[in-house]
Amino acid sequence: EVQVLESGGGLVQPGNSLKLSCATSGFTFSTAWMYWYRQFPEKRLEWVARIKAKSNNYATDYTESVKGRFTISRDDSKSSIYLQMNNLKEEDTAIYYCAYYFDYWGQGVMVTVSS
Amino acid sequence: DVVMTQTPPSLSVAIGQSVSISCKSSQSLVYSDGKTYLHWLLQSPGQSPKLLIYQVSNLGSGVPDRFSGTGSQKDFTLKISRVEAEDLGVYYCVQATHFPLTFGSGTKLEIK
Repeated sequence: EVQVLESGGGLVQPGNSLKLSCATSGFTFSTAWMYWYRQFPEKRLEWVARIKAKSNNYATDYTESVKGRFTISRDDSKSSIYLQMNNLKEEDTAIYYCAYYFDYWGQGVMVTVSS
Repeated sequence: DVVMTQTPPSLSVAIGQSVSISCKSSQSLVYSDGKTYLHWLLQSPGQSPKLLIYQVSNLGSGVPDRFSGTGSQKDFTLKISRVEAEDLGVYYCVQATHFPLTFGSGTKLEIK
């Protein structure tokens, strides 16, 4: 059974940092391209970041609004990915989902940026 | 960025009826490999999104064949035949042909 479990969300003030984690099991993680998506309070979905597999040199991509602030990474030995979020803004407030492409999604973790 | 326009924004249907949801993209979604990376997701109330249909017309794992997807280039349709109560939720189309990946705004399906 595939499992995807995010953790690390919470309430932070603007300008602060937060790191999300995503632990997975049940599929071949080492070759999987992994994604972070987010869903804003108005329910709009947005792709946030992607990290490719080792065979693709762990290449990363980001949506424009988070470039330079967010960093996606992975640890194949733990079948996990991470999202380091720095200089958070109120408009980053959303539910963050970790996913294997669109096939398997986690339950999501809430990130609230507010003073 | 590719803009995904979904219509209608909401639907209210009776059990057993059929419905269609439209998704139009601002650019062709045919990738250089000849495949079309247009997918449909369903987000049931309180749940995370689930893959329903991938690459226009292929059913996701465990998805009943009451769901079907058609279309090409820039014009796509999701059809649900014989709607059941469990089908309620928000349906999203998403394109993965062009970066960044972009989603439609969603269609909320309610049961009468």
